[in-house]
Amino acid sequence: AQSVAQPEDQVNVAEGNPLTVKCTYSVSGNPYLFWYVQYPNRGLQFLLKYITGDNLVKGSYGFEAEFNKSQTSFHLKKPSALVSDSALYFCAVRDKWGNRDDKIIFGKGTRLHILP
Amino acid sequence: GAVVSQHPSWVICKSGTSVKIECRSLDFQATTMFWYRQFPKQSLMLMATSNEGSKATYEQGVEKDKFLINHASLTLSTLTVTSAHPEDSSFYICSARDMGQGNYEQYFGPGTRLTVT
Repeated sequence: AQSVAQPEDQVNVAEGNPLTVKCTYSVSGNPYLFWYVQYPNRGLQFLLKYITGDNLVKGSYGFEAEFNKSQTSFHLKKPSALVSDSALYFCAVRDKWGNRDDKIIFGKGTRLHILP
Repeated sequence: GAVVSQHPSWVICKSGTSVKIECRSLDFQATTMFWYRQFPKQSLMLMATSNEGSKATYEQGVEKDKFLINHASLTLSTLTVTSAHPEDSSFYICSARDMGQGNYEQYFGPGTRLTVT
């Protein structure tokens, strides 16, 4: 069964510094990887996804993620953090795209605090 | 882009009553919808997969008689929490898969906060 691990419960970064939120995955087939952000009492907002192609994926709000097959990782990055980036970030995986068993499984989430 | 709505956005009900949450795909057809549950400061846990015109598939540990799912049309799925108890209080998020033209993208609703008193 597919799974996602986010090893950090919380990440603190000073405003203006680069940020990284870590994610590793485990799938039986090809990985389809996603990052979502959630603000307090709100639903999920899609940030970016990796399906195939270039390992570096660019998404919304200046975020990007790098797919690393050998390390089974999909870390989220941003060159310069903003206070408004403070939120809960979820990594997610699908491994049976279009199959009846196709479903998105989420990591536990990482709370990102950007310090002014 | 594709939009998924949920109604209500929040609901308070008394213990022992039932409450229904609707999930609609507004501009696409969704043969498959998903229901997730999120406890405070925790991740989204998949509860069930809902397929239009057939019975839902529940994840292990989810009581199908307590969480009734109906997917009667290509744009609507409902989750009914029966005989609700305070421990059912949670944030429920639905998701719909766009099957149009081979597109299997999945979109999420804004969530429904249920509080059982």
